[in-house]
Amino acid sequence: AQSVSQHNHHVILSEAASLELGCNYSYGGTVNLFWYVQYPGQHLQLLLKYFSGDPLVKGIKGFEAEFIKSKFSFNLRKPSVQWSDTAEYFCAVNAGNTGFQKLVFGTGTRLLVSP
Amino acid sequence: DTGVSQDPRHKITKRGQNVTFRCDPISEHNRLYWYRQTLGQGPEFLTYFQNEAQLEKSRLLSDRFSAERPKGSFSTLEIQRTEQGDSAMYLCASSPKQSPYEQYFGPGTRLTVT
Repeated sequence: AQSVSQHNHHVILSEAASLELGCNYSYGGTVNLFWYVQYPGQHLQLLLKYFSGDPLVKGIKGFEAEFIKSKFSFNLRKPSVQWSDTAEYFCAVNAGNTGFQKLVFGTGTRLLVSP
Repeated sequence: DTGVSQDPRHKITKRGQNVTFRCDPISEHNRLYWYRQTLGQGPEFLTYFQNEAQLEKSRLLSDRFSAERPKGSFSTLEIQRTEQGDSAMYLCASSPKQSPYEQYFGPGTRLTVT
């Protein structure tokens, strides 16, 4: 079965620190990859996505992610975090063997940015 | 574009009661999904509609759960004979025909079964 692993459950950073959140998935075929963000009290929002092409994708609010096929990874990065980035971040995958219908999510990483 | 809406936002019910949730997708989105999220976990897929057809159901969706999308617009998720283990956030998402793999989520319905 497909799975998505997010190894960091809680991350605490100071403002202006760099961020990297890890995401690994288990499926070996064609995949679409996503990062979603959930700010406190808000619903899940799409942060960025990868379907094909350039493995370095840029999303909203200065976030980017790199797809490394050989490592089955799609890590999220931001060079300098802000207090407003405090949120929970979810990596998600949908895969060709399921017709790309459903998203499989990781357990999420709670990021706390201290001012 | 008003986004995906869900009603109610919170529901407290006693074990054994039936509950029904509603989801209104983004206008003209032909695909609609239901997920469930419990504390400390990511959302888990429950079921998926393309227009009015329910095309996939997860094994998580026991026979106490039923979902409909009768006219291909809004959807309802019903849980019969609720159990304490049903307590969770129930999320609805929709995606457009031109970009079917991008799912846009609603705020969810938080169910508490006492």
